Amino acid sequence: SYVLLQPPSVSVAPGETATITCGGDNVGGKSVHWHQHKPGQAPVLVMSYTTDRPSGIPDRFSGSGSANTATLTISRVEAGDEADYYCQVWDGSLNRLVVFGGGTKLTV
Amino acid sequence: MQLVESGGDFVQPGGSLRLSCAASGFSVRSNYMTWVRQAPGKGLEWVSSIYTGGNSFYIDSVKGRFTTSRDDSKNTVHLHMDSLRPEDTAVYYCARELFMDVWGQGATVTV
Repeated sequence: SYVLLQPPSVSVAPGETATITCGGDNVGGKSVHWHQHKPGQAPVLVMSYTTDRPSGIPDRFSGSGSANTATLTISRVEAGDEADYYCQVWDGSLNRLVVFGGGTKLTV
Repeated sequence: MQLVESGGDFVQPGGSLRLSCAASGFSVRSNYMTWVRQAPGKGLEWVSSIYTGGNSFYIDSVKGRFTTSRDDSKNTVHLHMDSLRPEDTAVYYCARELFMDVWGQGATVTV
């Protein structure tokens, strides 16, 4: 089955840039979506179709993808960005319709 | 746009439970709808999706036990869970579409 691999944790100081990667076989050829999840809250879509930022998401968030890696980049990181981040793809050809990465804990 | 889940509860192994997800601001029959769960201390896991045409898809571990349905008159989707197991214990979220652009607040199921 298709697997998305994320680093368990990323730590940055306020004001720095956080880079969260998502590895998968030819993931650059798929549309990757990123979700931010804070404890006790509903997840929030922060990046869709690899590079599209939903309305209301700060432009400090950006996405990219190529070959076997997709990346979520958060510039000028703030304390409020501390959360778990999950990459996700969906593909009707996959055995599992929707696949999530294991999640990355961003510590600020 | 909003999604509100209900129906979470404590249930004995082997029991059944139905979760509901009421939508407002959009029509569930015009969108794919998805259920995602998060077990304690674990990450997000896709459970099921229902297409606009009514076809439903499931993760292997719940096939034959869970059923996703839709009530267009109430703009609501349901997740009916039978033969519940301790490993089904999780917060269950409903979300819009296969890329989850709108999420509910979650319903807690404890088996």
